[in-house]
Amino acid sequence: AQKITQTQPGMFVQEKEAVTLDCTYDTSDPSYGLFWYKQPSSGEMIFLIYQGSYDQQNATEGRYSLNFQKARKSANLVISASQLGDSAMYFCAMRSYEGYSTLTFGKGTMLLVSP
Amino acid sequence: NAGVTQTPKFQVLKTGQSMTLQCAQDMNHEYMSWYRQDPGMGLRLIHYSVGAGITDQGEVPNGYNVSRSTTEDFPLRLLSAAPSQTSVYFCASSYAGSAGEGYEQYFGPGTRLTVT
Repeated sequence: AQKITQTQPGMFVQEKEAVTLDCTYDTSDPSYGLFWYKQPSSGEMIFLIYQGSYDQQNATEGRYSLNFQKARKSANLVISASQLGDSAMYFCAMRSYEGYSTLTFGKGTMLLVSP
Repeated sequence: NAGVTQTPKFQVLKTGQSMTLQCAQDMNHEYMSWYRQDPGMGLRLIHYSVGAGITDQGEVPNGYNVSRSTTEDFPLRLLSAAPSQTSVYFCASSYAGSAGEGYEQYFGPGTRLTVT
C-alpha cells in the first residue's frame, strides 16, 4: 500500500520569500512517480511538477522545484519568490508503476502568501 | 481540445435518489478515474478504469458504480444517495505510461454534490 503524508496543514509566507512544503511517502515498489498539484480557491486541480524515482536530478519547473531525497522518502516542494497568486491548497501525490495504479494523494497543505 | 469535462457542476439530491455524474475526455487517454474530495481528507479514489471495458475499485467504492463502454466516457453512478456522499467529485484522465514516464493526470472542473 502507498501512503503520502503532508504534516503541515497550513503555511504562511511573505511575498517574494521562498517556502518549502513537506511531503513524505511510503511505498515498497521500486518504481514510482511523485507529483505536486495546486488547487486554488476556484477549485480546479493544476499540475505543477513531477519527479520519477529513477531521476538523478531534482525536477524544476520555473519557480517550482522538487527536493527529492529518496533514502528519506521525501519529496518536498520548494516555491521560490512567492507571489500572492500562490495562495492555494497544495497536494502531494504518488503513483506506483507496478501494474495498474492510480494516484494516492496526501491531505494537502494550505499556503497563504501575504503582501 | 476540451480536455476533461464534467457535468453537472452543481447538484442537490434527496436521500435515496440516484443520479449519474458524467465525465468525458478528448485526449485519447487510457486511464480514467473518479475521486471525491472532502475537507481535511485530500482526494480519495472511488473507481478507475485502464481502458474501455475494464474498471476497478479504489479506496472508497461503496455506493458508487462505474462503467467504461468507450475510451472517452466514464460516468459515475450514485445508486441511492446518502448524506455521507456530499462531496466534491473530480474525474481525471491520463496516459497509462510506464516507469519513468511522468504522465500527469488531467482533472475535470469538479461536481459539487449535496445530499439532503
